[in-house]
Amino acid sequence: DTAVSQTPKYLVTQMGNDKSIKCEQNLGHDTMYWYKQDSKKFLKIMFSYNNKELIINETVPNRFSPKSPDKAHLNLHINSLELGDSAVYFCASSPERTMSSYEQYFGPGTRLTVT
Amino acid sequence: RKEVEQDPGPFNVPEGATVAFNCTYSNSASQSFFWYRQDCRKEPKLLMSVYSSGNEDGRFTAQLNRASQYISLLIRDSKLSDSATYLCVVNFPGGSQGNLIFGKGTKLSVKP
Repeated sequence: DTAVSQTPKYLVTQMGNDKSIKCEQNLGHDTMYWYKQDSKKFLKIMFSYNNKELIINETVPNRFSPKSPDKAHLNLHINSLELGDSAVYFCASSPERTMSSYEQYFGPGTRLTVT
Repeated sequence: RKEVEQDPGPFNVPEGATVAFNCTYSNSASQSFFWYRQDCRKEPKLLMSVYSSGNEDGRFTAQLNRASQYISLLIRDSKLSDSATYLCVVNFPGGSQGNLIFGKGTKLSVKP
């Protein structure tokens, strides 16, 4: 069974479109995250949700909006896509939201290409 | 100073070699440290946590030097399957709680 799954795996779309990426985890974790990995392979956190509450909101454009219908799902909606949004987007989850040691489990990634 | 800094490599080594990666971090209040591994076009996966006393897992040894804000990963007897990018990860407390900061990674290529 896949612990953290994302759909779609690949997404090619034109500038100006609106798209969503879905993420589901079956680990029973309390916290889920969205990361962006750009062409230089730099992995940077975008959002984090704990028990359906946004707890981290990095300085990302408000065109990006995370939506969590329940603890097992954290979807990412992107409005008015731009060329610079092209990247790999990873969903992740972890058992708890603390500053102590914990492992994050990553999904397989969604490769977004904006043309 | 960058938040988490690593030598990007690539490190090209023969099978059986010993290779060491270094990482420095800027936040002296950081308490949690990890090494993740990312294969090409795959997701990052936890390799090992880094403890204050240093820790070993098979051929892998991690060290932490809090005074110098420095973490290392040593791989002994390198295997072809060790070829990957190794990400140094540090938590940055305060502000964004539980925020893990990823280094850009060090690429390792093990050759026959």
